[in-house]
Amino acid sequence: GEDVEQSLFLSVREGDSSVINCTYTDSSSTYLYWYKQEPGAGLQLLTYIFSNMDMKQDQRLTVLLNKKDKHLSLRIADTQTGDSAIYFCAAPRTGYALNFGKGTSLLVTP
Amino acid sequence: GAVVSQHPSWVICKSGTSVKIECRSLDFQATTMFWYRQFPKQSLMLMATSNEGSKATYEQGVEKDKFLINHASLTLSTLTVTSAHPEDSSFYICSAPDRDFIGYTFGSGTRLTVV
Repeated sequence: GEDVEQSLFLSVREGDSSVINCTYTDSSSTYLYWYKQEPGAGLQLLTYIFSNMDMKQDQRLTVLLNKKDKHLSLRIADTQTGDSAIYFCAAPRTGYALNFGKGTSLLVTP
Repeated sequence: GAVVSQHPSWVICKSGTSVKIECRSLDFQATTMFWYRQFPKQSLMLMATSNEGSKATYEQGVEKDKFLINHASLTLSTLTVTSAHPEDSSFYICSAPDRDFIGYTFGSGTRLTVV
């Protein structure tokens, strides 16, 4: 099945940019997703990118996709303490359920 | 936007009892529902896929007799954890895709603690 890998932990200072990286294995993935999970809560869709795009920007969020290297990144500009959460990269698998990475814990310090 | 209402948000039960978790699609028809479980500080693992009116498809290693899934209507899918044990304690989340399997709406999750 689809393997999705991402770094486990990232710490940034408030106001800096955060970059969370992800790699995936299935080149046939049509869409790739970023979700945010706050403690004890469900998943909130942040953004997604279609596989024929290289970049997508949505306010403070920028997604970059390198399809050749199967590498996806999420950049959060002007990171705030409220951005502290776990961020999951996800890609569809056979049967259309999403396969998730292990999640990157983002800690934003004042 | 699409909303999936998941209940209960948390439950504590005794070993050996059964617990039912419900996911309702509030403003759309969910012909498919994915059920995940998440252990602390870990990723979401797909347990099963349910389709309205048919038997659920379980992932390898998931006991279908222990985790009973029912998807009897286009707006309701349920997961029943039978004869619960402490190792079943986890966070369970449902997710319904849109018709084109582009957008996925997640429930808010159920924290199950078996004592």
